[in-house]
Amino acid sequence: DTAVSQTPKYLVTQMGNDKSIKCEQNLGHDTMYWYKQDSKKFLKIMFSYNNKELIINETVPNRFSPKSPDKAHLNLHINSLELGDSAVYFCASSQEAWTDTQYFGPGTRLTVL
Amino acid sequence: GENVEQHPSTLSVQEGDSAVIKCTYSDSASNYFPWYKQELGKRPQLIIDIRSNVGEKKDQRIAVTLNKTAKHFSLHITETQPEDSAVYFCAASITGFQKLVFGTGTRLLVSP
Repeated sequence: DTAVSQTPKYLVTQMGNDKSIKCEQNLGHDTMYWYKQDSKKFLKIMFSYNNKELIINETVPNRFSPKSPDKAHLNLHINSLELGDSAVYFCASSQEAWTDTQYFGPGTRLTVL
Repeated sequence: GENVEQHPSTLSVQEGDSAVIKCTYSDSASNYFPWYKQELGKRPQLIIDIRSNVGEKKDQRIAVTLNKTAKHFSLHITETQPEDSAVYFCAASITGFQKLVFGTGTRLLVSP
């Protein structure tokens, strides 16, 4: 009964490939997020969805495309992967946007070779 | 502005000592200030939060203080234990941009 789950946990791929990360939450939350945590541990917001609608899209290359098929799922697709995309990607969810506890998934460690 | 500055970047204490981590924010409209703890290889987890209508909040050995005038807030951990060792992140809501901005993190090491 994991609250926020992500798959896969590890992803190793070659430059130029396309990959997807999936996220699901069973908390009934309205808002979901994608964060990127780089090697220096900085946590940076990438996208946020509220009730399947995109509410924030930070300055992220358009190679990154989020998709929310329903309120409980927020997937991240990445095209033409680059070395600099290597990081840990966290999905999170909260009931209210931005002023409520965010529950993070376990993270997906992406390594681009 | 969207900056949240966090200090120190690393903090080493002996077990039983207190630890204080400080953050400053730039958006005067910020009204929500959570603190997250991230153990090695794990996900960030909320440990305490405070809203702008409150000056201090405590939960057992953890307390957070907020000074809205100076735009800074602090995490205080008393009687530290080795299991408190982790990276701690402060964050502030940026109302106009509808997002939470995280500080750069503080690596706390508690030595037995």
